[in-house]
Amino acid sequence: ILNVEQSPQSLHVQEGDSTNFTCSFPSSNFYALHWYRWETAKSPEALFVMTLNGDEKKKGRISATLNTKEGYSYLYIKGSQPEDSATYLCAFNYGQNFVFGPGTRLSVLP
Amino acid sequence: NAGVTQTPKFQVLKTGQSMTLQCAQDMNHNSMYWYRQDPGMGLRLIYYSASEGTTDKGEVPNGYNVSRLNKREFSLRLESAAPSQTSVYFCASVRTGTGPYEQYFGPGTRLTVT
Repeated sequence: ILNVEQSPQSLHVQEGDSTNFTCSFPSSNFYALHWYRWETAKSPEALFVMTLNGDEKKKGRISATLNTKEGYSYLYIKGSQPEDSATYLCAFNYGQNFVFGPGTRLSVLP
Repeated sequence: NAGVTQTPKFQVLKTGQSMTLQCAQDMNHNSMYWYRQDPGMGLRLIYYSASEGTTDKGEVPNGYNVSRLNKREFSLRLESAAPSQTSVYFCASVRTGTGPYEQYFGPGTRLTVT
């Protein structure tokens, strides 16, 4: 069974703080690494799909980097806002299959 | 487009009862998935279907069966529900073509087995 880990498990920050999370995944059989944002009582929504080693993607105040050789990805949020409060999931994509990490729960306090 | 829809939204079963969770997508996606979500464990894959007529086991398939009825619909059946199957179930789909592409998720079905 492939193992995808995320850290930290949860995080509390003040509004305006910048923060980052880590996703660790197997470095073999890599196809893509996905990041999803999951708000309470809603469904996960895709943030990024990353494929190339060294890739960096950005959407507004959120960005992500990818290192496929060592098997990790970072998600950064600049100037956190209360609406950023959610669980952030990463998923290791190999072939048609996806293995999700347990998520990082972010709470942004006003 | 409705995207990915799931029915029912909530269900309570007694141990030993059976039921089918329905999932449909209107995006012409080839691949469809069933996950369960339990506290502290993220999403775990139960079954997936890469195309109409094919299904494959995921990480936690025991106690479940699936049917890919057609390209749009992918159902999950619990033949004899157990309390360990209390969970939130999500269906997802991925679009066709040279990917990789993100998954689109349904709203989830919250199942309680007493």
